[in-house]
Amino acid sequence: SAVISQKPSRDICQRGTSLTIQCQVDSQVTMMFWYRQQPGQSLTLIATANQGSEATYESGFVIDKFPISRPNLTFSTLTVSNMSPEDSSIYLCSVRGTLVSYNEQFFGPGTRLTVL
Amino acid sequence: AQTVTQSQPEMSVQEAETVTLSCTYDTSENNYYLFWYKQPPSRQMILVIRQEAYKQQNATENRFSVNFQKAAKSFSLKISDSQLGDTAMYFCAFMNPISSGSARQLTFGSGTQLTVLP
Repeated sequence: SAVISQKPSRDICQRGTSLTIQCQVDSQVTMMFWYRQQPGQSLTLIATANQGSEATYESGFVIDKFPISRPNLTFSTLTVSNMSPEDSSIYLCSVRGTLVSYNEQFFGPGTRLTVL
Repeated sequence: AQTVTQSQPEMSVQEAETVTLSCTYDTSENNYYLFWYKQPPSRQMILVIRQEAYKQQNATENRFSVNFQKAAKSFSLKISDSQLGDTAMYFCAFMNPISSGSARQLTFGSGTQLTVLP
């Protein structure tokens, strides 16, 4: 499986500020994703991070609010912009398409965000 | 669009006993993948087991096994000899690896919180 790290692991932010979450994978992967998970809930896909081009966003999520970068096959960032308390959640990076297993999807440890 | 249903929000089992978590799904596809993920309190999502729809044999990983009933669109997870470390939220997930765009995304069920009691 791929080893995925996320920074920061948690943060407490003020309303109106922005936070950038980093995701680093230990090997090249085909696909990278960003999910949001409310406490006790299932996962909601925010977007697919595309290398060298704009991310593909799911319904309800927009680039201005959640800009995403993916400069190479092992790294991606998600920014949560102009935060409000409703953005308090766990944000998870996920990858699919390693050299070993193409159709298995793996997850990072998550970033717990609290907005005051 | 595919849907995944987990009808048991919470379950508990005594240590060393066996428990089965249920999952049903709805799809018109013939080739797809099914997964069970485990998310302990540490919140790390861990892939427990996967099943390819074209395989008739049920997948097994140590104490974890599945009962895959393709015609019934059912994919249950059996945990044998339950251990305290099995306490976690368990998510069933579906993926169509062939389709493009959003159809290739992983579709999750709502989760089952399993508590293993000492």
